[in-house]
Amino acid sequence: QSALTQPASVSGSPGQSITISCTGTSSDVGGYNYVSWYQQHPGKAPKLMIYDVSKRPSGVSNRFSGSKSGNTASLTISGLQAEDEADYYCSSYTSSSTEVFGGGTKLTVL
Amino acid sequence: QVTLRESGPALVKPTQTLTLTCTFSGFSLSTSGMCVSWIRQPPGKALEWLARIDWDDDKYYSTSLKTRLTISKDTSKNQVVLTMTNMDPVDTATYYCARYMVRGAKFDYWGQGTLVTVSS
Repeated sequence: QSALTQPASVSGSPGQSITISCTGTSSDVGGYNYVSWYQQHPGKAPKLMIYDVSKRPSGVSNRFSGSKSGNTASLTISGLQAEDEADYYCSSYTSSSTEVFGGGTKLTVL
Repeated sequence: QVTLRESGPALVKPTQTLTLTCTFSGFSLSTSGMCVSWIRQPPGKALEWLARIDWDDDKYYSTSLKTRLTISKDTSKNQVVLTMTNMDPVDTATYYCARYMVRGAKFDYWGQGTLVTVSS
């Protein structure tokens, strides 16, 4: 199972919006509405931000939103804040009943 | 309150077998839909999914590592054990266990991770 494809880095200024893409295949992202997104600050464990493509767990800011079109899922962060600076990973359920992560995207808040 | 904690050796030698234990609380691995996965992250690199064990004892492994991995559970002790054989320096990573919920296909709780270094 190949890793999902994410941009290595994205950046934005405070208050702006950014979008991180996550591209897979019809055997993972495109085949199921089971894409999740994780935020990871340096030295910390990942934190669930989005699941089922677009659902937010309790306690996650509504500035975070998710969507999917075909084999590509996207995470959008609106109203960028300094604390959003982190690494972001997408994950998808696969046709083998396993999971696959993306290569990760480093978000820099300018 | 759900918590998970990884434990195991910080240093292993090449060719040795690594055994990691995930001890959890706040949920039961005998409850339908509950699963525990292992995920690793080499220093400065991306997350890599390794294995999962489900409430019904179904087990799933990374295709690339399948021959080296074994996952098991002890429901009475609230523990999940991962063994990885024939360790190599490229296996140096922080190893995480995480609760995986079938409903939502999400890793909703993670341990803090344990760094395993493979070196002679």
